[in-house]
Amino acid sequence: EPEVTQTPSHQVTQMGQEVILRCVPISNHLYFYWYRQILGQKVEFLVSFYNNEISEKSEIFDDQFSVERPDGSNFTLKIRSTKLEDSAMYFCASRTYRGPNEKLFFGSGTQLSVL
Amino acid sequence: SQQGEEDPQALSIQEGENATMNCSYKTSINNLQWYRQNSGRGLVHLILIRSNEREKHSGRLRVTLDTSKKSSSLLITASRAADTASYFCATDHSGSARQLTFGSGTQLTVLP
Repeated sequence: EPEVTQTPSHQVTQMGQEVILRCVPISNHLYFYWYRQILGQKVEFLVSFYNNEISEKSEIFDDQFSVERPDGSNFTLKIRSTKLEDSAMYFCASRTYRGPNEKLFFGSGTQLSVL
Repeated sequence: SQQGEEDPQALSIQEGENATMNCSYKTSINNLQWYRQNSGRGLVHLILIRSNEREKHSGRLRVTLDTSKKSSSLLITASRAADTASYFCATDHSGSARQLTFGSGTQLTVLP
């Protein structure tokens, strides 16, 4: 089965530094998402992206966050100035279209640790 | 309001027994999905049930959906130690991006 690929699997950074988390969605998918999961908590929606623009974002996705699809394959999440509370597992996901029976394919995540 | 609250939060059973996990939600949905997460790993899609369906099977998994009660259950029959994981329900409700809203999850431990 095709997979969503995320790199790196672990990222350690100092508070205030910029990080870029990378994702390669499944090739024929059109809708892309970022979610995060703080240790022991729920998986939370961050942002969705379609047709080269953000279609929806949550309250978590403030001005410190941005997403980009720089080429035909990568989908990135940038955190401009990391905070301690940004430490979490970040998941990328994609789906083919917005039909009612479309499942979301998730990557295996990037564990971000902000020190 | 919170969507997709699972209970129990934790469940411990013996291998061979059945495991039942429940999920409740608050607003109308298009479908409800169940995901599995092994410790520290990614989310694996298990099964999707549409809002007009009442029951669905996939291998040892059985999912029910009661839209009048806004609840769903996931039954794993003849559990195995390898089923040990966290299980999340996720609701797909109307919205421009059709993002999923996840519950808090049930930690299932299957003892050999």
